Amino acid sequence: QAGLTQPPSVSKALRQTATLTCTGNNNLIGNQGTAWLQQRQGHPPKLLSYRNNNRPSGISERFSASRSGNTASLTITGLQPEDEADYYCSTWDSSLGSWVFGGGTKLTVL
Amino acid sequence: QLQLQESGPGRVKPSETLSLTCTVSGGSISSSTYYWGWVRQPPGKGLEWIGTVYYTGTTYYNPSLKSRVSVSVDTPKNQFSLNLRSVTAADTAIYYCARQPRNPPDDYWSGPDAFDIWGQGTVVMVSS
Repeated sequence: QAGLTQPPSVSKALRQTATLTCTGNNNLIGNQGTAWLQQRQGHPPKLLSYRNNNRPSGISERFSASRSGNTASLTITGLQPEDEADYYCSTWDSSLGSWVFGGGTKLTVL
Repeated sequence: QLQLQESGPGRVKPSETLSLTCTVSGGSISSSTYYWGWVRQPPGKGLEWIGTVYYTGTTYYNPSLKSRVSVSVDTPKNQFSLNLRSVTAADTAIYYCARQPRNPPDDYWSGPDAFDIWGQGTVVMVSS
């Protein structure tokens, strides 16, 4: 049923690399590609990437996104304490005519 | 620098209509390059898209909310608004407004892209 599936939580050590995944069913991730957003506690979401691998200006190069088939990934290198947040993937579901979000992954930096 | 600011009542009674306004500053809502959307987040939960409007009045709505939602634009005031009818406790959430760039003209469709600039959000509680 759910369009975009994300693992609920990921934990990684400081300065390590975290890779977050987002899997779409039934070829959901189509022409629009996938966007990734970061939401720190008590703050609005912030766009990290769009159309699979485009980074808005001002976003650190430590954040990179990619896509392989029905799975999109967000890789964060050199983890910092401020990277601890919820991360959401999002795409346009053309079959529903709706923007959809994944359930989010809570990233803990140990 | 573009900024968005949500405004509206913090409490709405069940069965009534939730009405919110988003004021855009530092840019024009009439730009052909952007759409304007609403997203909500129930307490402790994830994000849910509500609807999106273009300056011409073209709208897109979440199918699950479409029967209760309307989103409109007021270009002279540089604002866009959300109306959600017949609210219940399940509509209690933080409501965000956000900008969505329009897909390039030569793209597969000319609709809205991802949400790139967000307001701070406003908490709305549905309670009698």
